This record gives sequence, C-alpha cells and structure tokens, in this order.
Amino acid sequence: KNQVEQSPQSLIILEGKNCTLQCNYTVSPFSNLRWYKQDTGRGPVSLTIMTFSENTKSNGRYTATLDADTKQSSLHITASQLSDSASYICVVSKILTGGGNKLTFGTGTQLKVEL
Amino acid sequence: EAQVTQNPRYLITVTGKKLTVTCSQNMNHEYMSWYRQDPGLGLRQIYYSMNVEVTDKGDVPEGYKVSRKEKRNFPLILESPSPNQTSLYFCASSLRGAVNSPLHFGNGTRLTVT
Repeated sequence: KNQVEQSPQSLIILEGKNCTLQCNYTVSPFSNLRWYKQDTGRGPVSLTIMTFSENTKSNGRYTATLDADTKQSSLHITASQLSDSASYICVVSKILTGGGNKLTFGTGTQLKVEL
Repeated sequence: EAQVTQNPRYLITVTGKKLTVTCSQNMNHEYMSWYRQDPGLGLRQIYYSMNVEVTDKGDVPEGYKVSRKEKRNFPLILESPSPNQTSLYFCASSLRGAVNSPLHFGNGTRLTVT
C-alpha cells in the first residue's frame, strides 16, 4: 500500500530556533514530493516541489531535502517565527499508468512556535 | 488576485437534505479536485477533473457527485448527506493535471450533517 508517514506528529519550539520535520514514503513509482503549510482554518499552501533528481530545494527559511534511494524527505525551518505555527504536510506524487499523477497526503506535523 | 474560492465556509444541514458546495478558480487551470480532511487522516481525494466535461473518481467518491461544465467552476454535490460526511472539504486546482505543478487550495468548507 502506498503510504506517507510523517514525524513527529507534533512539535513545540521556541521562537528563533531551528527544527526539522521528517517524511518517509513507500509510494511507487515516484514522481515528485511536495511540502505544504496549512495554517489553522486555511487551505494548504505549497512550499516546495522536488522531483527525483533534486536533493534539496529552498523557499526562504524553509529547506526541503529528498533522498529518493531511502525514500525519505525532511523539511528544515531556520530561525523560526511565530507565524511558522501551522501543520506541515508531506505529499508524494505517484506516476499513473497511462499518464497523470496521484497524490498521497501525509497526516501532517503540527508545529507550534512559542515566545 | 489568483485564488480558489469555496462557498460556503461553514454549513450545517440535516441528513438527506441535498446540498452543493461551490468552487471557482480564476487561474485558468485545467485540473480541479475535491478533498476531505478528517482528524488523524491525511487529505483524501473525492473527485477530480482534468478538464471541462472530464471527471473521475478519487479515493472516497461514495455519496458525492461533481460536474465540470465550465473551466472555472467545479461544484461538489451531496445528494443525500449523512453524518459520516461531516468533514472539512477543500477544493484545489492546478495546471496540467498537477504533474509537477503545485495545487492551489481554497480555504475550506466545514460541513456538519446532523
């Protein structure tokens, strides 16, 4: 079964600190991996998309890494801010026979940044 | 402003009373999709549409209908809602069937069926 597992489930850090969120997947055949940020009461917003050949991609203070051999990804947040408090969702895209993609969503890591 | 607009944001209804949740996007995206989000579960796809008049079932289509008569609109229809359809619903759109293109999500519709 194609799955996406995220850890930790929740995390509390102090403002200004760094943190790393993990995503392991078994989805195959792999097309791309995405990280989304979902603020409370809002829809998810795309942070990064990485294909098989990309090891790292940054978006401001967010840096995502991908190891397609071990089927692992991480999202590193640098110098956290209160506005980083949100759920971070890992999404893995699978290539479908006949074309197109199918997305499998992780359950998210709930991050809280405190003063 | 490029956006996906869902209405209503909140909806409380009773079992069996037909309802429609509207979704509209202004980015000329071919691909549109509906998801539901439940505690402890990832977003699950209900239906998707690759283009006008082209729709297909996602992972959890039972109890739902959709239509794509215009490129910008993709309404979700619950003909006879049941309490197990109480959930947070998201509409999303993207270019070219979401292949390497980010999904743009609406802000959600929280549905309660009593």
